[in-house]
Amino acid sequence: DAMVIQNPRYQVTQFGKPVTLSCSQTLNHNVMYWYQQKSSQAPKLLFHYYDKDFNNEADTPDNFQSRRPNTSFCFLDIRSPGLGDAAMYLCATSSHENQPQHFGDGTRLSIL
Amino acid sequence: DAKTTQPPSMDCAEGRAANLPCNHSTISGNEYVYWYRQIHSQGPQYIIHGLKNNETNEMASLIITEDRKSSTLILPHATLRDTAVYYCIVRLSYGGATNKLIFGTGTLLAVQP
Repeated sequence: DAMVIQNPRYQVTQFGKPVTLSCSQTLNHNVMYWYQQKSSQAPKLLFHYYDKDFNNEADTPDNFQSRRPNTSFCFLDIRSPGLGDAAMYLCATSSHENQPQHFGDGTRLSIL
Repeated sequence: DAKTTQPPSMDCAEGRAANLPCNHSTISGNEYVYWYRQIHSQGPQYIIHGLKNNETNEMASLIITEDRKSSTLILPHATLRDTAVYYCIVRLSYGGATNKLIFGTGTLLAVQP
C-alpha cells in the first residue's frame, strides 16, 4: 500500500528542457519534502513545505522550484536541467517537522 | 554536515544478529538519534528513533549509551532482505525549518547467505 507515490519512476529529459516531477501522498501529512540523491551519495534536502509555507535550503539552486497546490500533491520543477542535475529525486512526508519521514521510491532523472 | 560517524560497510550472516554502530559524540541534550535504511533503488525507510532510553519495535532495537555519545542498531535475525545502507542521524526534538534530516554516508550492510 504505497503511501507516498512518485510518478514516473524514470524520467528522461533534454538538456535545458523544463521538467516536472510529481509526488502524492495518502497520509494527509502536513509536511512534504524533496531530496536530491546523486549516484553513490546520501540524500540531500532541497526544500520542504509545512502546509503552504515553503522552506528553501540555502544551497538549493534557483533552477529548482516547487509547488504544493493542495495537501496531497507536491511538484518539483527544474527550469533548465543541466547534466549535473541527473539524480534520484525523493519525496517524503511527515505529520510534523519533528516526526519520522515517509519516503517514496523516487524518480530517477536522466538528462540527454 | 552530518554529526554522526559510521563504518562504511559491514557483513552479517543470514539469521544472525546485525549490530550497526554509530558515533555521535557531539550530540546535544535535545537531539534524538534516528535510524533509516535504504534498500537499493528504493527510498529511505524509517526504522527507529530514541532520545536516551533503549527502544525496540518490530524491526529493530536501538541501544544508546548512557553518555549518549554512541548507539547501536540491532537487527536480531538478519535476512537477505535487510541488505541496505543504514543511516544514523541526529536531529532536534522540536519542529522548525532547521529540524531536518542530514544524511551521512551510512553503513552498507551486506547479509550473506
